[in-house]
Amino acid sequence: DQQVKQNSPSLSVQEGRISILNCDYTNSMFDYFLWYKKYPAEGPTFLISISSIKDKNEDGRFTVFLNKSAKHLSLHIVPSQPGDSAVYFCAASGDNYGQNFVFGPGTRLSVLP
Amino acid sequence: DAMVIQNPRYQVTQFGKPVTLSCSQTLNHNVMYWYQQKSSQAPKLLFHYYDKDFNNEADTPDNFQSRRPNTSFCFLDIRSPGLGDAAMYLCATSREQGFGNEQFFGPGTRLTVL
Repeated sequence: DQQVKQNSPSLSVQEGRISILNCDYTNSMFDYFLWYKKYPAEGPTFLISISSIKDKNEDGRFTVFLNKSAKHLSLHIVPSQPGDSAVYFCAASGDNYGQNFVFGPGTRLSVLP
Repeated sequence: DAMVIQNPRYQVTQFGKPVTLSCSQTLNHNVMYWYQQKSSQAPKLLFHYYDKDFNNEADTPDNFQSRRPNTSFCFLDIRSPGLGDAAMYLCATSREQGFGNEQFFGPGTRLTVL
């Protein structure tokens, strides 16, 4: 039973355009969310997070949007660069969930020059 | 640079032969985690240590054990590896738990079971 879903296994975007990666969750006890980026042969690295008290968090080219009622979050990358090509994992946790993270299966983003 | 180190990066073992994977950290973080990730799947938490307190996930098989002899090191012991245990094993750390404490991951150890 997947509590965190990333329904698009892969996504291709042209350089300079916007990349939108989506994530859905089922457990209403989750109240904070993170995105990680993973390059081949490396461990995931933290990218950006959002608490459920906010609906948007921005860090440079990366913005995460949270829609609590829909149990949906998205990561926007604009403009996309070839170096953004990686696997992106969505993760969820909550103080009432034991504070451990549940990860989605990842979306492989390819940014084409 | 402060980091999370996993050795070896690749490990081959035989069916039923015990194997130990190691993780060390220079971040001085309180919490250490072990995840199992199979191909194209989400990383799955096996267990974590908050300092010396061990926390096992309910569905982690008994075949998997862990040791944290000190703050810096954490080991994953697989007592009798089966073919289904072939996976990438990721170690991670965080300063504390809760919002604002993102996890720092090592590069992983890819385990092959023959």
